[in-house]
Amino acid sequence: EDQVTQSPEALRLQEGESSSLNCSYTVSGLRGLFWYRQDPGKGPEFLFTLYSAGEEKEKERLKATLTKKESFLHITAPKPEDSATYLCAVENGGGYNKLIFGAGTRLAVHP
Amino acid sequence: DAGITQSPRHKVTETGTPVTLRCHQTENHRYMYWYRQDPGHGLRLIHYSYGVKDTDKGEVSDGYSVSRSKTEDFLLTLESATSSQTSVYFCAISDVSKNTGELFFGEGSRLTVL
Repeated sequence: EDQVTQSPEALRLQEGESSSLNCSYTVSGLRGLFWYRQDPGKGPEFLFTLYSAGEEKEKERLKATLTKKESFLHITAPKPEDSATYLCAVENGGGYNKLIFGAGTRLAVHP
Repeated sequence: DAGITQSPRHKVTETGTPVTLRCHQTENHRYMYWYRQDPGHGLRLIHYSYGVKDTDKGEVSDGYSVSRSKTEDFLLTLESATSSQTSVYFCAISDVSKNTGELFFGEGSRLTVL
């Protein structure tokens, strides 16, 4: 069964304190791994797509990496506005862009 | 921002009553989805549509039905609501021409079944 597990469930950082979020997955025929950001009371917002092991994507203070078993979302020198829930998802070979999501990591960055 | 509107945004209902949630898009995207989000479970796919009148089940489809009579509208119906269907429901759309798995989500509909 395809599965996505994210850790930790919650993370509290001081402003400027870099850290990483983990997403481990088991999937038959990975077509892509996706990171989304979700603010309270809002729908998820797309951040990155990674397609193959070794691939990296960056956006401002965020950097996503991918291996054959897991992905990391590295947050460098975070700011309070980076506080959100970060969701990881995978797409298998079933088509139709259907995603399987992890439960997310709640990140709180304090000044 | 992608043009996705969900209605109602909040609804409180009683067990056994029917409920319909509506998703309306202005992007003309072919793929549409209904997900539910619960603490500890993340987002789980209920049903999806790959065209007008073309729908299929997701992983948690029991107790739900959908209809898509127009490209822009995707309806989710709970025929007889139960307390286990208390959740936040998200509609999403995807541009099939890009085939990237990038979904655009609505703001969500919070449903409480008493």
